[in-house]
Amino acid sequence: QSVLTQPPSASGTPGQRVTISCSGSNSNIENNAVKWYQHLPGTAPKVLIYGTNQRPSGVPDRFSGSKSGTSASLAIGGLQSEDEADYYCATWDDSLNGWVFGGGTKVTVL
Amino acid sequence: QVQLVESGGGVVQPGRSLRLSCAASGFIFSSEVMHWVRQAPGKGLEWVAVIWHDETKKYYADSVKGRFTISRDNSKNTLFLQMNSLRVEDTAVYYCAKDQGGYWGQGTLVTVSS
Repeated sequence: QSVLTQPPSASGTPGQRVTISCSGSNSNIENNAVKWYQHLPGTAPKVLIYGTNQRPSGVPDRFSGSKSGTSASLAIGGLQSEDEADYYCATWDDSLNGWVFGGGTKVTVL
Repeated sequence: QVQLVESGGGVVQPGRSLRLSCAASGFIFSSEVMHWVRQAPGKGLEWVAVIWHDETKKYYADSVKGRFTISRDNSKNTLFLQMNSLRVEDTAVYYCAKDQGGYWGQGTLVTVSS
């Protein structure tokens, strides 16, 4: 069971907006920056969001991150077929002294 | 550009040992905190261990504590994971990752099977 809680799946039609939630606690999300990763089978996870709401260069601005208290969320605006992947939230946990991950959300484009 | 290349994976029997390596380039390795993360077949990402840039701090997931050891050679820009007393449930793709910037290697597969 993962320390951070994500819904196992999310879906939308092309062009729709999809939001993925990530619930944690005051030892992780509330006091630390959140990262969001996109993971395709057989490849290295790709960071979409770091520092809770910052996008690395090359990541489209339709990906956005936010945080409130012990929860974070990733929004994908203007869903595209290439967005079909697994998405993970991650952050540092002050009690465990390590990274903690969500269980992953599989996004399907209908 | 930043590159992380893992090696050392393979098939090993339960109870045996394996040492993974991660060759780093494109950044000042000796200044960076580094992690190992794994993904078992059909499962999510699981953090394994972290090491401070100067090796003063090392932390482990409970699932590997006492069996795995993380280390580094800053003169060779290389991160290591010594895995002892391997179990079937350690079967996974193992990734090395840089703490800042979201850089990960492509991973190396470790299969523990009799």
